[in-house]
Parts: sequence; C-alpha cells; structure tokens
Amino acid sequence: GAGVSQSPSNKVTEKGKDVELRCDPISGHTALYWYRQSLGQGLEFLIYFQGNSAPDKSGLPSDRFSAERTGGSVSTLTIQRTQQEDSAVYLCASSLAGPNNEQFFGPGTRLTVL
Amino acid sequence: GQQLNQSPQSMFIQEGEDVSMNCTSSSIFNTWLWYKQDPGEGPVLLIALYKAGELTSNGRLTAQFGITRKDSFLNISASIPSDVGIYFCAGQLYQGAQKLVFGQGTRLTINP
Repeated sequence: GAGVSQSPSNKVTEKGKDVELRCDPISGHTALYWYRQSLGQGLEFLIYFQGNSAPDKSGLPSDRFSAERTGGSVSTLTIQRTQQEDSAVYLCASSLAGPNNEQFFGPGTRLTVL
Repeated sequence: GQQLNQSPQSMFIQEGEDVSMNCTSSSIFNTWLWYKQDPGEGPVLLIALYKAGELTSNGRLTAQFGITRKDSFLNISASIPSDVGIYFCAGQLYQGAQKLVFGQGTRLTINP
C-alpha cells in the first residue's frame, strides 16, 4: 500500500516568506507527527495529532510555526516569516492509535531559506 | 529537554566486519527504538525494545535495552554494502507517549 507522502520534496524560499509543507499519512492512521531534522542531526519532535484530540504542540520552536490537520487526514505545517535557521528537512510520520505502534516516516521536505 | 547521546558519530569499516553503536541518556526511557535512514528517505524502524534488559535480534542486527533503562546498543554482524546509512536511536518516555527523542545518529560507511 502507499506510504506516507510529503510535498514538495524540496522548497527554496527567501527569508521572510511563508511556506506550507504538506503531509499525506497512511490511510487509516489516526496519529500524525511532524519532526525537523537539521543537517547532520537527529530528528526533533515538533507536533503530534491524534484523532480529534487537541494536538501536542510542545515541540514547536516558535509561534511562527503552526500545523493543522483537516478531516483527520492530510496535515499542513506552516512556517511564517521564515528565517535561515529554519532550513532543515521536515519529516512527517503516521501511525495507528495506541501505544507501541510503529511510526512510518515520509521522505521529508528539504527546506532551504536563503 | 531530554537528549540522547549516540556514539560513535561515524564509522568507516570493511565489508564483513561487525559494527557496534550505542546510546545513553540522563533520563529513563520505557521504550528504545533503532532506525536506519537512507539518503533522501525517512527513517525506517529496525528494532523496538520494550523491556529493561531485553535483547532482541532481527537477522544480522542485535539490540539490547539497558537494565538501567538509560542506554541501548545496536550490533550489526558481518556488514554488507547495503548496511550503509545513518542509524538513529530513539526513546519513548512512557508507554503510549508518542514523542520520540532521537540521538544524533551514527553514519556508517563500508569499504568493499
């Protein structure tokens, strides 16, 4: 079956512009996660959605970052007024609900802020 | 916040050699996970460990959940070229917690 897909695969933007990154989770997965991976680093948790519950936003680095999940499926991560330090690979993952369910990752969106 | 210290950061080995990498934490984790990431791809789960002291194998891979719940290691035996990539450890604080805390990664390079 189809895995997690993300678009665009690459995004180059100018400092100060807003960007939107999209994630399509695996069908039937109610949990969705966003992570950020800076060059040569591990993944950093950003936000987590589970069903209709309020999202866990504890990993968002600033109020310029926001995410929504429409209809319990597709999610969009928005970064406003981008800064050069926002340059990274943004990875989305999805899983079934419940403990110890494997998170399946998408290929990521590589964001470059000039 | 929580941090996982993963070592070594990189390894250069000959094909056929065994590999060992480990992660330590100042915090206790209830689940340890090991992932592999290929270029341009997201991480893929290799092994999950749920119980302190647990030793689990997956083919040529063996991983252990430290008895103190603050460390884990991954061994790869008889390395082959497709083992090349970046390996990450990750921890979950408690059962049902969805946040994963990742190590910095170990980049494995294999000379044929």
